[in-house]
Amino acid sequence: KAGVTQTPRYLIKTRGQQVTLSCSPISGHRSVSWYQQTPGQGLQFLFEYFSETQRNKGNFPGRFSGRQFSNSRSEMNVSTLELGDSALYLCASSLAFGQGGNEQFFGPGTRLTVL
Amino acid sequence: DAKTTQPPSMDCAEGRAANLPCNHSTISGNEYVYWYRQIHSQGPQYIIHGLKNNETNEMASLIITEDRKSSTLILPHATLRDTAVYYCIVRAPNFGNEKLTFGTGTRLTIIP
Repeated sequence: KAGVTQTPRYLIKTRGQQVTLSCSPISGHRSVSWYQQTPGQGLQFLFEYFSETQRNKGNFPGRFSGRQFSNSRSEMNVSTLELGDSALYLCASSLAFGQGGNEQFFGPGTRLTVL
Repeated sequence: DAKTTQPPSMDCAEGRAANLPCNHSTISGNEYVYWYRQIHSQGPQYIIHGLKNNETNEMASLIITEDRKSSTLILPHATLRDTAVYYCIVRAPNFGNEKLTFGTGTRLTIIP
């Protein structure tokens, strides 16, 4: 079974630009979560999507947004990029049935550098 | 979700068992203990999870104390590839909430 895939793997942007990152979950997984990882703040939850609906959101400004498609693939968008948005962006998928505990499977991440 | 406390770093000799402790003294009755690890610059990798019974899989064993206030992840025969940051996470299996709250974890270094 193929794992979680994320594209692109590396991205360089300049301040003020916007960026879209893509995540394809494991086949059959309906929940997709996004995380930001920086050296200073560690791994922080951005948001989670299930059945095309955002049902959980972390403490990030409105410049960070996302969506999920009917095939469970998800995209996240960051507008008006700032230097502090440089980070590893991770996507995770899970079955999300809620009983018995669910493990989440992470993709390799997209390394975003803002210049 | 309950807070967890882990030592910031540990060393273990290659071939020996690595025992990683985690304290979660405020854990609630329905909260599971999860372990993930992150090898440098890769996405976190799920290792194991449990509620109150000890669990074992092909990667590791999870020992949860009877009062559930602490747990230990055991890597039985550590290899150099086990060098990583290990995260202990406690969360309830709420449908509608897949959020994982990562702490600072334990940086495990396997010594040749």
